[in-house]
Amino acid sequence: NAGVTQTPKFRVLKTGQSMTLLCAQDMNHEYMYWYRQDPGMGLRLIHYSVGEGTTAKGEVPDGYNVSRLKKQNFLLGLESAAPSQTSVYFCASSWDREGEAFFGQGTRLTVV
Amino acid sequence: GQQLNQSPQSMFIQEGEDVSMNCTSSSIFNTWLWYKQDPGEGPVLLIALYKAGELTSNGRLTAQFGITRKDSFLNISASIPSDVGIYFCAGQLGNNDMRFGAGTRLTVKP
Repeated sequence: NAGVTQTPKFRVLKTGQSMTLLCAQDMNHEYMYWYRQDPGMGLRLIHYSVGEGTTAKGEVPDGYNVSRLKKQNFLLGLESAAPSQTSVYFCASSWDREGEAFFGQGTRLTVV
Repeated sequence: GQQLNQSPQSMFIQEGEDVSMNCTSSSIFNTWLWYKQDPGEGPVLLIALYKAGELTSNGRLTAQFGITRKDSFLNISASIPSDVGIYFCAGQLGNNDMRFGAGTRLTVKP
């Protein structure tokens, strides 16, 4: 049972480059989330989705875009990476909005 | 900005001691959850609280949903080395937004 899988696990980007982080879940969850984790800041919500074809902004959405074309996948895109986007990114999914969120193992992104 | 105030930021305790950490907010939350994160891993749910005043236990862990819905605490009794990690509180607002505290880093000395 894979749960929530994130790819890649590590990435180094140059300022201005673009990339897409992929999140896949095999639990048929409706809700999916992208968070970033920075030292002393906890996890901050970037974008989320309440179902296939829907997306919504979270607490820190600027500089990121997302898409949920398939229920099991939630993509996070950085169009023009900046050093301030250096962080660890976590994807999560849940059955409903108040239930347990299951997290992936994270993607460590460094922008130089 | 951060809506949850989690304390303490870090704790260094001896094996066998009890631990207490809490989260407070100026906002009212519908749900409180407590997660633990091990190094290199994503957070894993420990306890979920859905009603104001609710007190829930999971083994050596006990958590309570504050009566005002603005706070929650987590207690760990008789700590063991594998309790080491970062503990996060999370609160569900009225919309689909889940907010996390900054975390409490727990170190347990054998």
